[in-house]
This record gives sequence, structure tokens and C-alpha cells, in this order.
Amino acid sequence: DTVLTQSPALAVSPGERVTISCRASESVSTGMHWYQQKPGQQPKLLIYGASNLESGVPARFSGSGSGTDFTLTIDPVEADDTATYFCQQSWNDPPTFGGGTKLELK
Amino acid sequence: QVQLKESGPGLVQPSETLSLTCTVSGFSLTSYSVSWVRQPSGKGPEWMGRMWYDGDTAYNSALKSRLSISRDTSKNQVFLKMNSLQTDDTGTYYCTRGPHPLDYWGQGVMVTVSS
Repeated sequence: DTVLTQSPALAVSPGERVTISCRASESVSTGMHWYQQKPGQQPKLLIYGASNLESGVPARFSGSGSGTDFTLTIDPVEADDTATYFCQQSWNDPPTFGGGTKLELK
Repeated sequence: QVQLKESGPGLVQPSETLSLTCTVSGFSLTSYSVSWVRQPSGKGPEWMGRMWYDGDTAYNSALKSRLSISRDTSKNQVFLKMNSLQTDDTGTYYCTRGPHPLDYWGQGVMVTVSS
């Protein structure tokens, strides 16, 4: 299975720019998606196909990358962005998720 | 609007079978696929399997021997059955729309495997 590796946690101040990374153990082309999950809630789709913004998601969120290295950028970060962010690949079978990056605001 | 809602028992005995129902609205099961995803507390999600829009199914090979997904299109429902449950099957179980990406998620149902 394709393993997706994310840093466990990040802490940033409101108004700053933050990048959350996801590295795949093998190429996933642009079959990478990003989700936001707040405590006690279901995941919410933010970015699909590596760089496409889901409808209704603020333009502060953006995604980039292809192959094995991907990035989710939030600029500027707001207090409401406190959450865990997961990457998920759909290029290789089975679909797999990263372990998540917990974003905390200082 | 698109909605998915999971239902089923919150507590299952070890070695027993888990049965969950996903009731959808706002879209047709003959036009969209529905996937099951589970998430142990504090960990990343795991894709379990999928009911394709055409009635075909796909399973995670790690769970395939224990898992079955079916549907009733007249009731807008997708079903999950997984047997031989163990304590590490404890977690929140979600149904989601997609194959990819998973654009709508149910609120999830917490399942605890314990005697």
C-alpha cells in the first residue's frame, strides 16, 4: 500500500502562512486530496486533484505538488483553522490516508 | 442538499458481526459511488471499501475476507457488514460519497468492540 507521511503537528500565529507537507512512498501523480477535521466532526474536503479548490472553501487554502511530494498552504491562517489536516491518495489501490498534521494556533 | 447518515450499534462483542447502514439523500446511488471509511481515535482514516454506482464493489485487501458491502437503491441505503470483530476494529465509521475525492461525509458512528 502507498504510505503517506505527514509531520504530526505545527504551531503558527494568526495571520502567518503555513505549509503542511505530505510525502508518498511511491508516485501518486496528482491523485492527492486534502481534508480538514475538527474535533468531534467528520473530515471536510478542501483540495482535490492536488491543486483544485473545493467549492465553498476559502481561497486562503491552496494545494500543490505531484508525484511524491505535496503541500497544503494556508495563507493567512485564521483562528478557525485549528484542526487536523489529512492527505489522501487515490492513484494507487487501495486509497490511503496520511496520519494527519495537527495545526495549533499560538 | 447532499446528506449521508450512518446508523448501527455502538457496541459490538468480540468475534461478532458489525452491521451498519448508510442512508443517503440529495443524490442517487445509481449515479454516485459510496465508500466506507473508518478512523481509530487519534489516528488517520482507513478506506474500507466502496459500492460503485453500477452495483459493483471494491474492498481493501486487508479487510476483504471479513467485509461485505451491499445496497438497496429503492431505500437509498448502503450496507456494511464485517465479521469477526476484534478490539482494534474500534473506531468511528463513516460513509462518504465518492470514489475520489470523498466530497461528502456522514457524521460517523462510533463503534466499540468490547465484551
